Amino acid sequence: QQQVKQSPQSLIVQKGGISIINCAYENTAFDYFPWYQQFPGKGPALLIAIRPDVSEKKEGRFTISFNKSAKQFSLHIMDSQPGDSATYFCAASTNNFNKFYFGSGTKLNVKP
Amino acid sequence: NAGVTQTPKFQVLKTGQSMTLQCAQDMNHNSMYWYRQDPGMGLRLIYYSASEGTTDKGEVPNGYNVSRLNKREFSLRLESAAPSQTSVYFCASSGRGTGQETQYFGPGTRLLVL
Repeated sequence: QQQVKQSPQSLIVQKGGISIINCAYENTAFDYFPWYQQFPGKGPALLIAIRPDVSEKKEGRFTISFNKSAKQFSLHIMDSQPGDSATYFCAASTNNFNKFYFGSGTKLNVKP
Repeated sequence: NAGVTQTPKFQVLKTGQSMTLQCAQDMNHNSMYWYRQDPGMGLRLIYYSASEGTTDKGEVPNGYNVSRLNKREFSLRLESAAPSQTSVYFCASSGRGTGQETQYFGPGTRLLVL
């Protein structure tokens, strides 16, 4: 049973558009929610992360929205660029960071 | 500063063969992790080590063993490889303090078991 469910599996967005990827979880002990970006042939790299005490976190064009009551969080990429084309993973961990549970990934293609 | 390095980059095994995947980090991190990545499954934790001398099972530990050789190195061993272990394997590390939460991943090892 997957601890973190991610959708959509793939996403095509025009350059300049907004990309939105959604994740949901069940375990209320999760205390940390990172997003990772992975380019082909590379390992994932941390993009942005949020804790449940805030509802939104923004870093440049990337924003995480967090809804604690719904147990959902999402990544918004504003003004999407072809260079953003990659696979994105959401994840969740408890506050000891010993185990991270990843979503199944979203392959984003930003068309020029 | 190389970050997290993994060897080999690519390996082909026959069913029943054994091999060890090597991982090293030069960031003085306490925690290290092994994941496997399969299409449509995301990354799944195989084993982790919260500190030198300790290891613990993750989501999918069956068929694998690990050794935390020292603070820098964390190896993953397949004793008798099976086709179901065909995957891309990633090692990661994370440190204490403000950076505790950030996992730094290696470039991966692509394993094909025939």
